[in-house]
Amino acid sequence: AQSVTQLDSQVPVFEEAPVELRCNYSSSVSVYLFWYVQYPNQGLQLLLKYLSGSTLVKGINGFEAEFNKSQTSFHLRKPSVHISDTAEYFCAVTRTGGGNKLTFGTGTQLKVEL
Amino acid sequence: GAGVSQSPSNKVTEKGKDVELRCDPISGHTALYWYRQSLGQGLEFLIYFQGNSAPDKSGLPSDRFSAERTGGSVSTLTIQRTQQEDSAVYLCASSYSGQETQYFGPGTRLLVL
Repeated sequence: AQSVTQLDSQVPVFEEAPVELRCNYSSSVSVYLFWYVQYPNQGLQLLLKYLSGSTLVKGINGFEAEFNKSQTSFHLRKPSVHISDTAEYFCAVTRTGGGNKLTFGTGTQLKVEL
Repeated sequence: GAGVSQSPSNKVTEKGKDVELRCDPISGHTALYWYRQSLGQGLEFLIYFQGNSAPDKSGLPSDRFSAERTGGSVSTLTIQRTQQEDSAVYLCASSYSGQETQYFGPGTRLLVL
């Protein structure tokens, strides 16, 4: 079984400041890692994913994440946030091979302020 | 192309009634998933369909919950004798066979009074 921990339930940040949303996972098997974003009253939108290869992955809207196997982490970063980035962000994991259920963290609410 | 669609977008029902939630996956996607998002439990897996294989029902919380997928496309999640704790957003996702990326619909917000 897999589990995901997002330690920060809320992260307030000023516009144009950098942000990091933390994600740690636990698994006894190889995994794929994902970050999804959820805007109010909407479904989940894929931001980025790590499957294999380069540990630094870039996604949409200027976000990137780095897979660290030794620390079992997959933190999400953006160098300069915008008001429109205000949303809830979910880290998720699934075992490799495709066609498997996602296990989600509890989410981090990013609030960007002027 | 069209994404995953779900209907209704909102549903209010009385405790004890049955409800049906519908999901239309992306055309060509053979894998379909249902998840539930609630304040107390976060995002949790409910059920997974892949082609003609037997579904993975391991996430269904009770026997009041069931789902079917007709013709390998549209899926219906049925909740019988609804309880207040069933109030949540029910999300559907689909993917190509064997692919890891799931695409989510907008969800159905269920409120049980």
